[in-house]
Amino acid sequence: GAVVSQHPSWVICKSGTSVKIECRSLDFQATTMFWYRQFPKQSLMLMATSNEGSKATYEQGVEKDKFLINHASLTLSTLTVTSAHPEDSSFYICSAGVGNTGELFFGEGSRLTVL
Amino acid sequence: AQSVTQPDIHITVSEGASLELRCNYSYGATPYLFWYVQSPGQGLQLLLKYFSGDTLVQGIKGFEAEFKRSQSSFNLRKPSVHWSDAAEYFCAVGKIKAAGNKLTFGGGTRVLVKP
Repeated sequence: GAVVSQHPSWVICKSGTSVKIECRSLDFQATTMFWYRQFPKQSLMLMATSNEGSKATYEQGVEKDKFLINHASLTLSTLTVTSAHPEDSSFYICSAGVGNTGELFFGEGSRLTVL
Repeated sequence: AQSVTQPDIHITVSEGASLELRCNYSYGATPYLFWYVQSPGQGLQLLLKYFSGDTLVQGIKGFEAEFKRSQSSFNLRKPSVHWSDAAEYFCAVGKIKAAGNKLTFGGGTRVLVKP
């Protein structure tokens, strides 16, 4: 199946700094990618839809100025958590779809810890 | 709006016993249904999906699921669980059969396997 890779797998940063997480589709082109957030022992909450070459679409309640999404190429989307605070600590997962299957392939996830 | 309910937060099953995970969805049109599995600290792996046709679908790792429109359910089953099946399982529903399929996830069911 299609492979989606995230980097870094885990990151620790100080409060007030910014952190960038990359999501790559390794063997296919993805015009659309999705970013999810997952709190411990909870489900995935969709944060935003990343569209190649255009602005991301954010879900209600997600601060677009805090969670910057850039989808500059057909194989790369980035999520930047700006001015991170401890409450931003979470597991962030990206996904992308292939062709017309409706199936999403997920990255390994990135665990962010803000001190 | 679509929604997914997984009534069981935790299920404990003995190795070798059968397993059934419940999933109920709410969506006005034809749903595209998925079951994903997540190991701790990992991304999601697709077990199986239903788009149309035969309501009993076979997936990987010996899992199967049955779509019952009258009950708005898509329950996951496995006849004999292995210790490696201990994980978090998510049911999801999507609207479209395309790469931009935005999925809504259920709350998840954590499966523990007793030796």
